[in-house]
Amino acid sequence: DAGVIQSPRHEVTEMGQEVTLRCKPISGHNSLFWYRQTMMRGLELLIYFNNNVPIDDSGMPEDRFSAKMPNASFSTLKIQPSEPRDSAVYFCASSLGGTSNTGELFFGEGSRLTVL
Amino acid sequence: EDKVVQSPLSLVVHEGDTVTLNCSYEVTNFRSLLWYKQEKKAPTFLFMLTSSGIEKKSGRLSSILDKKELFSILNITATQTGDSAVYLCAVEEHNAGNMLTFGGGTRLMVKP
Repeated sequence: DAGVIQSPRHEVTEMGQEVTLRCKPISGHNSLFWYRQTMMRGLELLIYFNNNVPIDDSGMPEDRFSAKMPNASFSTLKIQPSEPRDSAVYFCASSLGGTSNTGELFFGEGSRLTVL
Repeated sequence: EDKVVQSPLSLVVHEGDTVTLNCSYEVTNFRSLLWYKQEKKAPTFLFMLTSSGIEKKSGRLSSILDKKELFSILNITATQTGDSAVYLCAVEEHNAGNMLTFGGGTRLMVKP
């Protein structure tokens, strides 16, 4: 298996532009997570999906952020409009999910976003 | 308040030294504690601990959990420069669907 695949790996954009980050989870994994990592705040959970349904989006900073999972093999995280404080590395992770499977998350390589 | 707290924030040692990294947590419905290693890219899984007092071991790394005192330690013996990384501790709660809450990490630098 190729693991969790994220794109783009790097993005530099200007304030006010729309940013879309993409993620393909590991096949057969039922849970998908979007995390953001900064030096100041570490790894923060933004949102997670189980069986394509958003379960907890309490970590989404504000309305500028939205996430979708239209099917089991694809998810997007969108920021519109982007701001310099959104600059971070955004990780997507997946897991088997379900109450009988505990915690190991498999992370993608991350998307490094810089908003100028 | 922070649910998962790691210490020290950073650590510089020389090759061959032994290090102990700490993770304390405070959650209401603990299920498991996980350790990850993050070099330049994605965090990679090291250990998952669910029971107190049972040491998990992998080569020079080992970890143990104390559910009474709500902490875990990660030991690395005979450190090598390749151990340089950020070590992340995370906690999973029951009924939270594999959702992990991460600590701030310990940045370890091993000098030759």
